[in-house]
Amino acid sequence: DAGVIQSPRHEVTEMGQEVTLRCKPISGHNSLFWYRQTMMRGLELLIYFNNNVPIDDSGMPEDRFSAKMPNASFSTLKIQPSEPRDSAVYFCASTEGPLGSYNSPLHFGNGTRLTVT
Amino acid sequence: GQQVMQIPQYQHVQEGEDFTTYCNSSTTLSNIQWYKQRPGGHPVFLIQLVKSGEVKKQKRLTFQFGEAKKNSSLHITATQTTDVGTYFCAGPPRSNYQLIWGAGTKLIIKP
Repeated sequence: DAGVIQSPRHEVTEMGQEVTLRCKPISGHNSLFWYRQTMMRGLELLIYFNNNVPIDDSGMPEDRFSAKMPNASFSTLKIQPSEPRDSAVYFCASTEGPLGSYNSPLHFGNGTRLTVT
Repeated sequence: GQQVMQIPQYQHVQEGEDFTTYCNSSTTLSNIQWYKQRPGGHPVFLIQLVKSGEVKKQKRLTFQFGEAKKNSSLHITATQTTDVGTYFCAGPPRSNYQLIWGAGTKLIIKP
């Protein structure tokens, strides 16, 4: 299995530009997560999908952030307009089944390092 | 709010010395998971503990889950350069599904 695939690996953009991050989860995994990692705040959950439906988006910072999962094999995280404080590493992760009292382990992609100047 | 405290933030050791990181949760957890993130890499799942008082070993790594299911530890015996990275604990509280992450402990091998 190829694992969780994210693209691009690196993204450098200017403030105000739109940024789109992409993720392909592991085949057969029903749950998908977008995380953001910074030195200051550590790993933050942005949004959680189960069976392509957003279940919890309470971690999305503000309206500039949006995420979609049009099908079981693809998800996007969009930032419009981007700001320097959005600079971080964005990880996508997937796992089997819905989350519950017994959680399956998360499989992370390699991440997208976003720099907004 | 619910949180998991992980200490220490950093630990510098000589190669061959032992390393331990501790996690303490403000609430009872359904299970505890441990992940390792190499520098520049992504978190990689190591192990999951479910039962109260559970102890599991992976070669030189020993994982423990407390009796009250609120604390956990990871101990590495005789560290090697390949152990370098940040170790995270994470667990879901019984009342919620969402994983609560510790801040991580960075293992640094002194030259």
